[in-house]
Amino acid sequence: QQQVKQSPQSLIVQKGGISIINCAYENTAFDYFPWYQQFPGKGPALLIAIRPDVSEKKEGRFTISFNKSAKQFSLHIMDSQPGDSATYFCAAGRNSNSGYALNFGKGTSLLVTP
Amino acid sequence: DTEVTQTPKHLVMGMTNKKSLKCEQHMGHRAMYWYKQKAKKPPELMFVYSYEKLSINESVPSRFSPECPNSSLLNLHLHALQPEDSALYLCASSQEVGRGPTNYGYTFGSGTRLTVV
Repeated sequence: QQQVKQSPQSLIVQKGGISIINCAYENTAFDYFPWYQQFPGKGPALLIAIRPDVSEKKEGRFTISFNKSAKQFSLHIMDSQPGDSATYFCAAGRNSNSGYALNFGKGTSLLVTP
Repeated sequence: DTEVTQTPKHLVMGMTNKKSLKCEQHMGHRAMYWYKQKAKKPPELMFVYSYEKLSINESVPSRFSPECPNSSLLNLHLHALQPEDSALYLCASSQEVGRGPTNYGYTFGSGTRLTVV
């Protein structure tokens, strides 16, 4: 069962535009919501992460918006650049004594056109 | 050092071979993970080690055998794999569990691209 649902599956944005990717989750025990960027042949790289006690977090051109009541969170990429073209995964995790396994969304393939 | 290092980067093995994937981190993280990623799919959790003890095994076939020799190293031993096991194998590490709110420093390596022929 997919614990984190991500949309859209693919996205094309013009250079300078805003890229928006959305995720939703069901398990209210999740307490950590990271976004990862992955280029072909590379491992996922942490972009930005948020905890549920915060509604928004901004780092440079990347912003996470978090809606706890709706169990949704989104990634906004401002002033999108061709170098941002990659696959983006949202994830949700819950700390436990057994470790901190992440549940990933299915990914969004972003293409930023010149 | 803020990296997770995986070796080899690429591996081609026959179905009767035995090989090992290696992962190393020197960030003092006490939780380490193996994930499997197929093309255009998200990473899927295979194993979790917490304080060098196996804490989660996500029903992974026995032809995959993890090992955590010490707090910095994680191995994945491979034997009698099938062509469908071809994938990118990712190692990750994070800060100690059960320590309260942190960003957990959850870091992935670049992975080993495994091809089973």
